[in-house]
Amino acid sequence: GENVEQHPSTLSVQEGDSAVIKCTYSDSASNYFPWYKQELGKGPQLIIDIRSNVGEKKDQRIAVTLNKTAKHFSLHITETQPEDSAVYFCAASPTRGSGGSYIPTFGRGTSLIVHP
Amino acid sequence: DGGITQSPKYLFRKEGQNVTLSCEQNLNHDAMYWYRQDPGQGLRLIYYSQIVNDFQKGDIAEGYSVSREKKESFPLTVTSAQKNPTAFYLCASSIDPEDEAFFGQGTRLTVV
Repeated sequence: GENVEQHPSTLSVQEGDSAVIKCTYSDSASNYFPWYKQELGKGPQLIIDIRSNVGEKKDQRIAVTLNKTAKHFSLHITETQPEDSAVYFCAASPTRGSGGSYIPTFGRGTSLIVHP
Repeated sequence: DGGITQSPKYLFRKEGQNVTLSCEQNLNHDAMYWYRQDPGQGLRLIYYSQIVNDFQKGDIAEGYSVSREKKESFPLTVTSAQKNPTAFYLCASSIDPEDEAFFGQGTRLTVV
């Protein structure tokens, strides 16, 4: 099955700095790569996602890049703000019909702390 | 407003008792999931269902059971066979596993 590794587990930055979180995956059939943000005591919420037919996607201060050859994808947050402090999860979903489960597999999460 | 609702938010139970966590969605999603979250462990899949009256075991199904009698509802029972049930439980739903998952607010279960 799919295996997703996420690094770092904790990331501490100063307000205004950029933050980068990296994930690698094992199943070359994976096709959908979402990123979720989880605030304390709440459920995760999707912040951006990318499919395998594109290499980069941007939404204001957030961007995701995908390298299918190397099987890794990254979340980039620019001009970080204290309200960006949260736990971020990456996930990978193999394409239906590729064999095995196509349910998303999540990374272990990155705790991002933005200091004012 | 459409959404996914978990109840209760906090739940305390004595060791050896079964307990059922509620999950309801009005998003008309076919797929529903239960995850367990422990510190440093990420989200681990317990059970998932892609259609009414059908569900599949996830990575850590032992000691848990589910039912999917209605499209809107996917309750999770934590049985006395679950050796370490204290955790944060998250329910989610999606149109399809290859689409965005919508999560509930979670239930924190403490077994004493």
